[in-house]
Amino acid sequence: DAGVIQSPRHEVTEMGQEVTLRCKPISGHNSLFWYRQTMMRGLELLIYFNNNVPIDDSGMPEDRFSAKMPNASFSTLKIQPSEPRDSAVYFCASSFTGYTEAFFGQGTRLTVV
Amino acid sequence: DAKTTQPNSMESNEEEPVHLPCNHSTISGTDYIHWYRQLPSQGPEYVIHGLTSNVNNRMASLAIAEDRKSSTLILHRATLRDAAVYYCILRGGSGGSNYKLTFGKGTLLTVNP
Repeated sequence: DAGVIQSPRHEVTEMGQEVTLRCKPISGHNSLFWYRQTMMRGLELLIYFNNNVPIDDSGMPEDRFSAKMPNASFSTLKIQPSEPRDSAVYFCASSFTGYTEAFFGQGTRLTVV
Repeated sequence: DAKTTQPNSMESNEEEPVHLPCNHSTISGTDYIHWYRQLPSQGPEYVIHGLTSNVNNRMASLAIAEDRKSSTLILHRATLRDAAVYYCILRGGSGGSNYKLTFGKGTLLTVNP
């Protein structure tokens, strides 16, 4: 398996634009996580899906952020409208169950100017 | 959430053993001790985890104190590829909200050639 695949690797966008980050989890994993990493706050869990259903979205910073998982092999994290403070590295991770080791993608570095 | 305390940074020489400490004095009886590492420009990577007994795998060993208030991640022969931030994380057993990995600041390991 190629591991967790995220795209794009880098994204530069202007404030106010919509940004969509994509993730393909490892086949057979039923749990998917979105994390965000910044210098100030470190790694934070944004949202957790189990069997394609959002279980915990308490880490989503505000209504501008939304995440979907239409099927077991694809998830998106959307920011609309984007703001400079959203600049961060966004990681997607998957695991066999929500309680086994998590496999992280290489991340998407988002810069909002 | 139970907290962990790690040194901000450590330095080692290539091909020498490295002992990375972690204090977790408020650990509960059902908390597992997990270690992840993050290489430069990559997502976190699972290293090892344990509950009470010492654990070994191909990457590292985990030594857990008898009272479980501290643990040590042991890299038997450090290589330049082991230079990373190492995170010690407490995580409950399967169930409830224990799917969440709470990352602290970790220990930045520098390996000198």
